[in-house]
Amino acid sequence: EDQVTQSPEALRLQEGESSSLNCSYTVSGLRGLFWYRQDPGKGPEFLFTLYSAGEEKEKERLKATLTKKESFLHITAPKPEDSATYLCAVRGYGGSQGNLIFGKGTKLSVKP
Amino acid sequence: DTEVTQTPKHLVMGMTNKKSLKCEQHMGHRAMYWYKQKAKKPPELMFVYSYEKLSINESVPSRFSPECPNSSLLNLHLHALQPEDSALYLCASSLSQGADSPLHFGNGTRLTVT
Repeated sequence: EDQVTQSPEALRLQEGESSSLNCSYTVSGLRGLFWYRQDPGKGPEFLFTLYSAGEEKEKERLKATLTKKESFLHITAPKPEDSATYLCAVRGYGGSQGNLIFGKGTKLSVKP
Repeated sequence: DTEVTQTPKHLVMGMTNKKSLKCEQHMGHRAMYWYKQKAKKPPELMFVYSYEKLSINESVPSRFSPECPNSSLLNLHLHALQPEDSALYLCASSLSQGADSPLHFGNGTRLTVT
């Protein structure tokens, strides 16, 4: 069964304190791993897609990496506006009919 | 602003009411989705439309009735809902269901059932 586990559940950082969020996955053939950012009361905002181990993507202070078992979202010198819930999702070739399997998210709080 | 537009933003309805949620996208995407999200939980898939045909129904109760009038529009008709159906209802679209492209979400309709 396809599964996604995100850790930690919540992360508090001081402004400028770099850290990483983890997304561990089990999937029958990875078609894609997706990172989203969700602000309270809003829909998930697409950040990155990763397709194969070793791939990396960057956007401003965020960098996503992928191995065969997990993905990391690295946040460099975060700012208060980076505070949000970060969701990881995978799409596989197996029983999920190719639909997204979401993790429970990591709630990031960045204090000034 | 997102490229997937949902209306209304907020909806309060009684258990005997009939209402509809609307979703629109103009990105030329051929797959459209309805998700339900409860507080502090990830989105849960309800329905998938592929090329305007219902592709997936994740065992959703019949009080939720989806409709895809054309490739840009998606509706969710609501009837005789229960208080536990209160949630954020999200619409999303992607290039196609079979492609490995990401889903793009709207900002949702916050539904409260009284």
